[in-house]
Amino acid sequence: LAKTTQPISMDSYEGQEVNITCSHNNIATNDYITWYQQFPSQGPRFIIQGYKTKVTNEVASLFIPADRKSSTLSLPRVSLSDTAVYYCLVGDPRQAGNNRKLIWGLGTSLAVNP
Amino acid sequence: GAVVSQHPSWVICKSGTSVKIECRSLDFQATTMFWYRQFPKQSLMLMATSNEGSKATYEQGVEKDKFLINHASLTLSTLTVTSAHPEDSSFYICSARDPLDRLSNQPQHFGDGTRLSIL
Repeated sequence: LAKTTQPISMDSYEGQEVNITCSHNNIATNDYITWYQQFPSQGPRFIIQGYKTKVTNEVASLFIPADRKSSTLSLPRVSLSDTAVYYCLVGDPRQAGNNRKLIWGLGTSLAVNP
Repeated sequence: GAVVSQHPSWVICKSGTSVKIECRSLDFQATTMFWYRQFPKQSLMLMATSNEGSKATYEQGVEKDKFLINHASLTLSTLTVTSAHPEDSSFYICSARDPLDRLSNQPQHFGDGTRLSIL
């Protein structure tokens, strides 16, 4: 099973850049790395997805080294509203195609302080 | 973007009641939907994979007779918690993939969850 390891919690301040690193030593060749954000009592929300090197969108960047055994989610200039739990996931390598399941870890609880 | 709607958002009922939760893909067709359960301060636990027109695939330890799943159309899956008891109280979340999503690995899109409280 592909498993991920993230810090349980992180603290930051408004305006800072936050980097959350995730380890996924058993990632499969065809797996993508996906990050989600979850607020209390809401479903997770897709943030960003990547396979290798660097991916950037309007809310975050994702850095993936060549060995793909880890990835780093970078949130530029966080605000109070970025306080949430952030999950790093890779696809279940036992599954194929569209039914590929995601294995959820405990995520990283990010607290952004004023 | 792809939107998944879940209803109801919360429900409180007496022990022994059966509760139905609906999950709809609003602007895409989903042949596969996923049902999760999440307890406070814990991660999402996959309960079952719902496949349109066929039986759901349940994860180990999830009672299929307790959690009935029906995926009768390409836009609707339902989860029925039968004879619910207080230990079934949890946050239930569904998700679906849009097969036409431009991203290569088609990320899951989640509903906003259903808070179930059994008294």
